[in-house]
Amino acid sequence: DAGITQSPRYKITETGRQVTLMCHQTWSHSYMFWYRQDLGHGLRLIYYSAAADITDKGEVPDGYVVSRSKTENFPLTLESATRSQTSVYFCASSVGGGANTEAFFGQGTRLTVV
Amino acid sequence: QKEVEQDPGPLSVPEGAIVSLNCTYSNSAFQYFMWYRQYSRKGPELLMYTYSSGNKEDGRFTAQVDKSSKYISLFIRDSQPSDSATYLCAIPNQAGTALIFGKGTTLSVSS
Repeated sequence: DAGITQSPRYKITETGRQVTLMCHQTWSHSYMFWYRQDLGHGLRLIYYSAAADITDKGEVPDGYVVSRSKTENFPLTLESATRSQTSVYFCASSVGGGANTEAFFGQGTRLTVV
Repeated sequence: QKEVEQDPGPLSVPEGAIVSLNCTYSNSAFQYFMWYRQYSRKGPELLMYTYSSGNKEDGRFTAQVDKSSKYISLFIRDSQPSDSATYLCAIPNQAGTALIFGKGTTLSVSS
């Protein structure tokens, strides 16, 4: 299917475990992004990537690791999950970075850390 | 001060009402302003974008930018229950490499 897909849609994990959230897009968009959405904070940028093998930190990168070996994939890894990382995570992609280009979002991954 | 501020609401209106959603931003260099709509348990989708100052109209929706006061607005005319969603304003970061979002305003339109 064309578009941007995230997996899993729901995940429960224990404190201290490593967990990886997957993101795949079929448009060959250059830019990909990871955001987290929390009540009272809105959408906050975790990491973004301008192209394969190019990544950069956003507003809240601590505790997260990203990689982008292929244009279409942009996995997000929580190295040692904490309860404060309980959130809804959204992956997005766009042709350009931010100015005048539309960002397309996935359906989100709802992560609970217990 | 955050780069973009938005009152999270919630906002409840009857069907047919005119709705005004607002954001303020801090950096006068910003040129592109966007509004995303997010339905419950879905990802955000682009609703409208405007460049620089002025108004842009699309059906029942009007986006307005006032650069002198660093204020952006989204007006919804003849609001419908299907407009019930969270509306997020967004601006590019200074490098133009990512979008910065407001906290979002949750709107509920009752029939």
